[in-house]
This record gives sequence, C-alpha cells and structure tokens, in this order.
Amino acid sequence: AQRVTQPEKLLSVFKGAPVELKCNYSYSGSPELFWYVQYSRQRLQLLLRHISRESIKGFTADLNKGETSFHLKKPFAQEEDSAMYYCALRGNNAGNMLTFGGGTRLMVKP
Amino acid sequence: GAVVSQHPSRVICKSGTSVKIECRSLDFQATTMFWYRQFPKQSLMLMATSNEGSKATYEQGVEKDKFLINHASLTLSTLTVTSAHPEDSSFYICSATLAGVTDTQYFGPGTRLTVL
Repeated sequence: AQRVTQPEKLLSVFKGAPVELKCNYSYSGSPELFWYVQYSRQRLQLLLRHISRESIKGFTADLNKGETSFHLKKPFAQEEDSAMYYCALRGNNAGNMLTFGGGTRLMVKP
Repeated sequence: GAVVSQHPSRVICKSGTSVKIECRSLDFQATTMFWYRQFPKQSLMLMATSNEGSKATYEQGVEKDKFLINHASLTLSTLTVTSAHPEDSSFYICSATLAGVTDTQYFGPGTRLTVL
C-alpha cells in the first residue's frame, strides 16, 4: 500500500522567511513524487516533480529515499506563495494513479 | 494548453435524484481521466480511473453502481451520482493525462455537489 503524510495542516511564516513543507511517504518500490499547489479559487496544478529536479517559483524538493521524504523548500517565502500544497505519490505499478497527502496550507504574512 | 473543464461547477439536487458531472479535456486527447472526491478541509481521494473505451477501475470502498463513470471519447468522461443522498455532498474533481504522456495530471476546477 502507498501512503503520503503531510504532518502540518497549516504553516504560517513571514515574508522573506525560509519555508519547508514536509512530506513523508510509504511505498515498497521506487515511487515518483510530486508537489501540487492550489491557489485560492483556482484549480489544482502541478508545481514540480522529483524526476525533473527543477526549481519552480523558487521551490525545490529533493527525494530522500533513506528518510522516505520529499520536503518542499523555498529560501525566501513570498506572499503570493500562500496556497494549499499537496504532496503526491505515484507507484511504479499503479499506472497514473496518484495518492495525495492531506495537504498543508501555507500562509505567508507581510 | 492542457486545460480540463468540468460542468456544472455547482449543482444542488434533491435526495434520490441522479446528477451527471462532465469532465472535458479542451485542447488535448486524454486517454485516462481520474475522478476524485474532496471533503471539506481534507485531501483528494481517488474514486476511480477511467480509460477511454473501457470500464472504469474503482478504488476500494467506492460503489460502482452508485458512481457511474463513462469515458466514451478521448475528450469526455462523465460521473453520474445515482440516487444521491446528503452524504454524497462533496467536491468532485476530475483530472486527465495526455495521451502518450504519462506522468502529469491536469485538473479540472471541480464541481460542488449539494444534496438536500
């Protein structure tokens, strides 16, 4: 079974502060990990995926297989980063099925 | 590109009636569409995976006779909630993947269903 855990439902930081949204997963094989973001009144959209090893909007995430984590980080938070963030996992034998974490609401205060 | 629409965006119905929700990929062909349910302040729970031209694959605990899914074309999948009850009230979201591109899901804006 695959499982994704986001331990924090709410994360509140001040503008310019570093941000780390935690994501831990449970999966017996080699998963693909994603971060999706949902801004207020907008649809869910892909932020980044671990296989791309890219930085999107200043966010990065590194897959740590030893710790089974895929934390999302940004060194300097901006107010426009305020949104709901979901970590998701796709197993290597499950087609395109995604398992989502519970989500973390990031609030960046001015 | 890769826009997914849902219709209606909001629907209110009486208990016992059936409601159909459409999910369309507007500018691409989607061989696979997914239907999720999202309860207030909770994450998305996958209900079923829909492949064009074949029967949907339902997740454990999802009643396939209650949540009828049809994926008749590469751009349209429908979810019909039959004999709706108040506990079916929820936010239903669909997503689609591009034919030949397997790792990115594009999400629709969601449909808010309220059953009175």
